[in-house]
Amino acid sequence: ILNVEQSPQSLHVQEGDSTNFTCSFPSSNFYALHWYRWETAKSPEALFVMTLNGDEKKKGRISATLNTKEGYSYLYIKGSQPEDSATYLCALMNYGGATNKLIFGTGTLLAVQP
Amino acid sequence: ETGVTQSPTHLIKTRGQQVTLRCSSQSGHNTVSWYQQALGQGPQFIFQYYREEENGRGNFPPRFSGLQFPNYSSELNVNALELDDSALYLCASSARDSGANVLTFGAGSRLTVL
Repeated sequence: ILNVEQSPQSLHVQEGDSTNFTCSFPSSNFYALHWYRWETAKSPEALFVMTLNGDEKKKGRISATLNTKEGYSYLYIKGSQPEDSATYLCALMNYGGATNKLIFGTGTLLAVQP
Repeated sequence: ETGVTQSPTHLIKTRGQQVTLRCSSQSGHNTVSWYQQALGQGPQFIFQYYREEENGRGNFPPRFSGLQFPNYSSELNVNALELDDSALYLCASSARDSGANVLTFGAGSRLTVL
């Protein structure tokens, strides 16, 4: 059974703090690693899709890195704002088969206090 | 460009009943996936539909079934409901040939089984 793990489970920071989360996954048959941002009562929103070892992607104050050999990805948020409060999910897509299913972690819940 | 819409947003059923959840996919997307998110867990893959056929299935019993229609919309049916079926059901659409398959999610249907 493939397991995607995220840490920490939850995080409370002050406005302006920078923060980071970890996503760990088995590196065999790796195809892609997805990050989603999920605000309460809304749809999960895709942040990044990363496929290459050493990939770094950035979207505004949010960035992510990928290490497929050791099986981890980091998500960084610089200068957190209250509107960054959400659950951040990572999901593994493995190579092979006709189905591109995602295996999700349980998420990191971020609360940014003004 | 419309996103993914799901209906109903909330519903309550009793054990043994049957439920149908509906999903309209994003314009231009031809693949629909369904995920179940139980309390405290990440979304779990139920199945995927492509060209109106099931194209991969997760670890869910046969009483979970689905349909995809020619306009790429989809239904999830669950028979003989059990208490453990209480969860948020997410639908996601994607364009099958888009490489790492970014998913566009709906906001989910929250099912409570009493």
